[in-house]
Amino acid sequence: DADVTQTPRNRITKTGKRIMLECSQTKGHDRMYWYRQDPGLGLRLIYYSFDVKDINKGEISDGYSVSRQAQAKFSLSLESAIPNQTALYFCATSDLPSGGASGELFFGEGSRLTVL
Amino acid sequence: AQSVTQLGSHVSVSEGALVLLRCNYSSSVPPYLFWYVQYPNQGLQLLLKYTSAATLVKGINGFEAEFKKSETSFHLTKPSAHMSDAAEYFCAVSEFRTSGSRLTFGEGTQLTVNP
Repeated sequence: DADVTQTPRNRITKTGKRIMLECSQTKGHDRMYWYRQDPGLGLRLIYYSFDVKDINKGEISDGYSVSRQAQAKFSLSLESAIPNQTALYFCATSDLPSGGASGELFFGEGSRLTVL
Repeated sequence: AQSVTQLGSHVSVSEGALVLLRCNYSSSVPPYLFWYVQYPNQGLQLLLKYTSAATLVKGINGFEAEFKKSETSFHLTKPSAHMSDAAEYFCAVSEFRTSGSRLTFGEGTQLTVNP
């Protein structure tokens, strides 16, 4: 079983619908992230959480919200989906940095969202 | 603010040829640098990382990268390409902050390996 699991893997929806993408992890990491991938733009950070009580906006948080239900679960919501939110979404985790070094990110396999 | 630029969105090489994927970074403090690889229909996985130890970093699958502060570069190389190396490669930079570090990714380079 994958250490970082995303559901659903694929979703097609219509403009204005509410969508939730879920992420769960078995790595025991405190830090979780949601990224969006678009061709030619790389990965852009939407939200991140360093523990259950800590939620932070990334560079492109408008139109998105998140919930950290437990250490192992981090959900991304689109309250009212629009076509330019069509993208591949990745959840990732990392452990605490030690000695100042950034922890490696561990990625899920992605959730492909299409908004018509 | 930290940023990464990958030169060339598509690189094509012949099997057995040298692979060179270019990455330049901008950072206000000494950076931590990473290369990730994404195979089709998969998430990203770490190839290698530089965290202020040796400037030549060796990673998985025969890849290596050299940190050059004077050139603000962290290019990825492999002496001999295999068909299985065909994938998208991402360079990323991180700055350590007291509130915790975050990665900023480049735009990605799609590597094609021709037989």
